[in-house]
Order: sequence, then C-alpha cells, then structure tokens
Amino acid sequence: DQQVKQNSPSLSVQEGRISILNCDYTNSMFDYFLWYKKYPAEGPTFLISISSIKDKNEDGRFTVFLNKSAKHLSLHIVPSQPGDSAVYFCAASAYGTSYDKVIFGPGTSLSVIP
Amino acid sequence: GAVVSQHPSWVICKSGTSVKIECRSLDFQATTMFWYRQFPKQSLMLMATSNEGSKATYEQGVEKDKFLINHASLTLSTLTVTSAHPEDSSFYICSARDLETAIKYNEQFFGPGTRLTVL
Repeated sequence: DQQVKQNSPSLSVQEGRISILNCDYTNSMFDYFLWYKKYPAEGPTFLISISSIKDKNEDGRFTVFLNKSAKHLSLHIVPSQPGDSAVYFCAASAYGTSYDKVIFGPGTSLSVIP
Repeated sequence: GAVVSQHPSWVICKSGTSVKIECRSLDFQATTMFWYRQFPKQSLMLMATSNEGSKATYEQGVEKDKFLINHASLTLSTLTVTSAHPEDSSFYICSARDLETAIKYNEQFFGPGTRLTVL
C-alpha cells in the first residue's frame, strides 16, 4: 500500500519554464512533507519542506504548495535550469507517531532541456 | 549543514561473504539513523530504524538476521549484510537525524550511499 504517490515517473521541461512535480498521500497522520533531489549513485539531498500548518513554503526558485484537504502537494521550480535534471522524491512523515520515519514516494525524473 | 558519511562508497564481494557498511554523522549527534535500499530506477525503501543504544526496528519483509544493524554510538551506525547473495546487490543509503532537528523539522540528513555488488 503506497502511502506517498508520485504518479508521473518522468517530466520534461524546457529551460526557463516552470517545472511542476506532483505528489499525493493517503495517510492523514502525516504532518510534515519534504522534497529531495537525487542524482544517480548519490544520496538524496534535501530541497525544501513544509509543515501541515502551512499551505506554501518558498525558497529561491523552489516553492512547495500543500493542499491538506486534497492530500496533495506540489513542487514548483521557476525558472527551470539544466542542473535541475534529477530524480525528485516526495516524502512524508509524522513525528512522534508510528510513522515517525520518512516515507518516500517512487520519484519523478525531471529532465530540463536546454 | 549536517554531514553524513558512508564507508565504503562501493564494494564488490563474493557470494556467501559478509559486508559491513558504516554510516557516520560528522558534525552532529544522531539519535536516530535510518537505513534505506534502492533498486535501480526505484524509490528508496526503508529497511530499518535504529536508535542509539537500542535494537533496530526493521520494516516488514526485511530479514533482521541477514541485515544486522548496530548503532553503538551517537555518531556511528553499521549495517552488516551477512552471507551476501547476488540479489543483495543494491545501493544502500543511510540517513541520520538529531533530536533537535527532529522536533523542529523531522528532517534527515543522508549519506552518499554505498554500492554493493555481490558476485
């Protein structure tokens, strides 16, 4: 039972345009969401996060939006750059509960075309 | 930022041997460490959670006798793959979390990963 879903395995975007990566979750206990970026043969690197008490968090070119009622979040990258090409994992957790660990989605491979 | 290292970065071993992978938090005390496994083109699969000084909690389907985890200090956790077989070949990644970060952000810091190939 996949609790964190990323329904698009891959996404191609032109350089300079907006990249939108989507993520859905099923467990209402999750209260903290994270996005990680991963290059092949490397560990994931933290990108941005959002607490369930917020609906938006912005950090430079990266913005994460959270819609709790829809159990949906999205990562926006504007403008997209070729160096953004990587696999992006959405993750969720609920500290202090039985879900006190990060549950990862299957990832979306982003290709930014120069 | 917090740094987590893994050693070795890659290892090749013969079937039937045991391999130990180390995970270290370099500039913070990791009260909790996590071990993940990633198959090619798949997501990170959590194998186990270890808290310093206590036994690891394994996820369903992970053989605790095959994947031995030790978290003897606040900066070191080890994963030992015992009697390795070719199907154990994978990319193993650890992550670490300190209590302060966990309370504020529940964020984990990941190591660079270890590529294990069992011949």
